[in-house]
Amino acid sequence: DAKTTQPNSMESNEEEPVHLPCNHSTISGTDYIHWYRQLPSQGPEYVIHGLTSNVNNRMASLAIAEDRKSSTLILHRATLRDAAVYYCILRDNRGSGTYKYIFGTGTRLKVLA
Amino acid sequence: DGGITQSPKYLFRKEGQNVTLSCEQNLNHDAMYWYRQDPGQGLRLIYYSQIVNDFQKGDIAEGYSVSREKKESFPLTVTSAQKNPTAFYLCASSGGRQNSPLHFGNGTRLTVT
Repeated sequence: DAKTTQPNSMESNEEEPVHLPCNHSTISGTDYIHWYRQLPSQGPEYVIHGLTSNVNNRMASLAIAEDRKSSTLILHRATLRDAAVYYCILRDNRGSGTYKYIFGTGTRLKVLA
Repeated sequence: DGGITQSPKYLFRKEGQNVTLSCEQNLNHDAMYWYRQDPGQGLRLIYYSQIVNDFQKGDIAEGYSVSREKKESFPLTVTSAQKNPTAFYLCASSGGRQNSPLHFGNGTRLTVT
């Protein structure tokens, strides 16, 4: 299974940028990189995804390394509402139209007021 | 509004009883997933289904069963064979394309005593 590695926890001050790293050295050429975040007692929420190029949306930016073995989720100005567990995952394509998403333990982001 | 509905939000059962968790989606998604989450842990995949009347075991399928008789519905049965059933259960769905994000329900917290 394609796996990702993330730091267990990170801290940031409010209104400062946050860079959340993810390593995925076994990524295959067609794997998309997805990011989700989860607030306590809720289901994960989609944040952003990408394949090769950097991506931006209203929530965040995704920077993907040239060799695609790592990526970084960027929150441009952290707010207290951004405190959550952030998951970086790959879609594991088993062929024949079968695929699954494997989650790791994620990074718990703490935002300090 | 389109989305995924999991019910009930909280469920209590006695040990030795089977229990079925409901998951319904109106997003017209082909793929559906069940994950289990234990306190302070990431999500682990129980079962997934890419199409009606077909499903595959995930990483921790023992003690669980599913059915996929309709596109909109993917119920999960926690059987008495599951040794540690108390957990937070999350259902998700996605479209068929490789860049389709996962959409999650708000989960069912099952407590077995």
